[in-house]
Amino acid sequence: DSGVTQTPKHLITATGQRVTLRCSPRSGDLSVYWYQQSLDQGLQFLIQYYNGEERAKGNILERFSAQQFPDLHSELNLSSLELGDSALYFCASSVGYSFSYEQYFGPGTRLTVT
Amino acid sequence: AQKVTQAQTEISVVEKEDVTLDCVYETRDTTYYLFWYKQPPSGELVFLIRRNSFDEQNEISGRYSWNFQKSTSSFNFTITASQVVDSAVYFCALPEGGKLIFGQGTELSVKP
Repeated sequence: DSGVTQTPKHLITATGQRVTLRCSPRSGDLSVYWYQQSLDQGLQFLIQYYNGEERAKGNILERFSAQQFPDLHSELNLSSLELGDSALYFCASSVGYSFSYEQYFGPGTRLTVT
Repeated sequence: AQKVTQAQTEISVVEKEDVTLDCVYETRDTTYYLFWYKQPPSGELVFLIRRNSFDEQNEISGRYSWNFQKSTSSFNFTITASQVVDSAVYFCALPEGGKLIFGQGTELSVKP
């Protein structure tokens, strides 16, 4: 158990809908990262927050947004969902903001868009 | 741009065999870190090791060992006396400025 929690574990929704994925980092970690894992794209970094502020942005679509709250939990919002958004979404956390720190991953949320 | 290549897509071995997973990377940074992660069938990603480019000593942790060779830009991972529980997808990763670049992963299947 990495100490990172993600909810929900599974999510099935229809095209055009909006969903919110939630992540709580390990105790003491200030950085939260979001990743998308799909068969065709592999593991792709989406976005990083550090202590409430956006720190780095990767291949995140404009339809997606995230935020980190004062209690350090984070939410990833996915809107106008398309079939291609079906994937496993991971949250990870680390103690610092540099990518040189090891990241601890949550169990993931499997999103299925029908 | 940074790049991580795991040329072995799938490897199948029989229990107790030794197996080496290859990772070759490209970077223009003079100092950098490299990582290995394991993704078992249950799906979660498990951190295995972080190495920095200053330290080229081999790392050993139980049945796991890592061979870092800066001259060949490789960071290979060996499992000695493999077990069925080692069956997983293994990812090598390299930080690139504002993100972590993962290789495509090597799926290891250990058969009893």
